[in-house]
Amino acid sequence: DQQVKQNSPSLSVQEGRISILNCDYTNSMFDYFLWYKKYPAEGPTFLISISSIKDKNEDGRFTVFLNKSAKHLSLHIVPSQPGDSAVYFCAAPGNQGGKLIFGQGTELSVKP
Amino acid sequence: DAGVTQSPTHLIKTRGQHVTLRCSPISGHKSVSWYQQVLGQGPQFIFQYYEKEERGRGNFPDRFSARQFPNYSSELNVNALLLGDSALYLCASSLRRGVHTDTQYFGPGTRLTVL
Repeated sequence: DQQVKQNSPSLSVQEGRISILNCDYTNSMFDYFLWYKKYPAEGPTFLISISSIKDKNEDGRFTVFLNKSAKHLSLHIVPSQPGDSAVYFCAAPGNQGGKLIFGQGTELSVKP
Repeated sequence: DAGVTQSPTHLIKTRGQHVTLRCSPISGHKSVSWYQQVLGQGPQFIFQYYEKEERGRGNFPDRFSARQFPNYSSELNVNALLLGDSALYLCASSLRRGVHTDTQYFGPGTRLTVL
């Protein structure tokens, strides 16, 4: 039962353009969402989060949008840079403390 | 401040063997969670430990066990290794337990290969 889904395994974007990474969820009880970035040979690094009481949260080049009615969130990166090339995971806290439920990840490649 | 540290970095074992993975959380963090990440998937929750007690468990068999020490470091033990246990094992620490807005900070992981 995949409660958090990222249906695009990979995305390729030109440097300077916008990257849009998508995530869908099935559990309407989720009230908080996170995005993590992962480089090879490193652990996931927290990027940005959003509470379900908001529909947008912005931090520098990164903006997360939440559409509760569609059970959909997206991460926008503007402008994209080659250093943004990584695997991006969306996640939501489960019903057990300390549990994060992750999507499958989307590998972003930003080409110079 | 040091981040979450894990040891060893890589490990190769054969089927049926036992393995112990270690994790040291960020100083001041009392909660440690363990995740398994297989290739092409997101991390899957295994355990959470807080104040030396198991507070949450994912859908993993009893071959998987863990403990947390008084200094909040943690060990993950896997018995009777199977080929399917080959994965990246991630440890994450956070300040408290059960607070969604407490960010989980991940270590670099231990890459386990079972032959």
